[in-house]
Amino acid sequence: KNEVEQSPQNLTAQEGEFITINCSYSVGISALHWLQQHPGGGIVSLFMLSSGKKKHGRLIATINIQEKHSSLHITASHPRDSAVYICAGDMYSGGGADGLTFGKGTHLIIQP
Amino acid sequence: EPEVTQTPSHQVTQMGQEVILRCVPISNHLYFYWYRQILGQKVEFLVSFYNNEISEKSEIFDDQFSVERPDGSNFTLKIRSTKLEDSAMYFCASRARTGVPYEQYFGPGTRLTVT
Repeated sequence: KNEVEQSPQNLTAQEGEFITINCSYSVGISALHWLQQHPGGGIVSLFMLSSGKKKHGRLIATINIQEKHSSLHITASHPRDSAVYICAGDMYSGGGADGLTFGKGTHLIIQP
Repeated sequence: EPEVTQTPSHQVTQMGQEVILRCVPISNHLYFYWYRQILGQKVEFLVSFYNNEISEKSEIFDDQFSVERPDGSNFTLKIRSTKLEDSAMYFCASRARTGVPYEQYFGPGTRLTVT
């Protein structure tokens, strides 16, 4: 059974700071998702990656499959980045439709 | 941009009542999922559905739960006899295919309150 651990659980930073959120998982996965959840509850997919690095605007996600570790970075953070960031492991096995295994999330607050 | 929709956004029901949560996945997607999030806890997988049948289910998805795709567009989650502990946010998701680069797209959720 895959376990997904995130750190830190809570993070408060000042506007403009570089943010790093870490994610580790216990067994091999096929892909790792980074998701964003706003106070209203809705979930938005930020990245899905199986190797290397992806960048979208000020967000960067990296994954090291051998070390079973992924990071989400936010450059030049802004108060609108305040949200819960969740990593989730994807165990899809070709023919199957396995659901995602979620971490507990990192509650990020960016202060002006 | 296509999106997953869910209705209702908030449902209040009494313990023991049946509830049906509805989802309309993105139209050309093949895989459908239900997740739940109890307040303050992490999101948990309930069930996946493909080719008109359950593909995978978690230990949470017991006999009180059922899923259906009644008409080729809606995807429903039924809870037969709700318990207080069923109070949670329920998310539907869909994906075109499994594998990279096929992401899951989430609906906005239905907040279920059981009193």
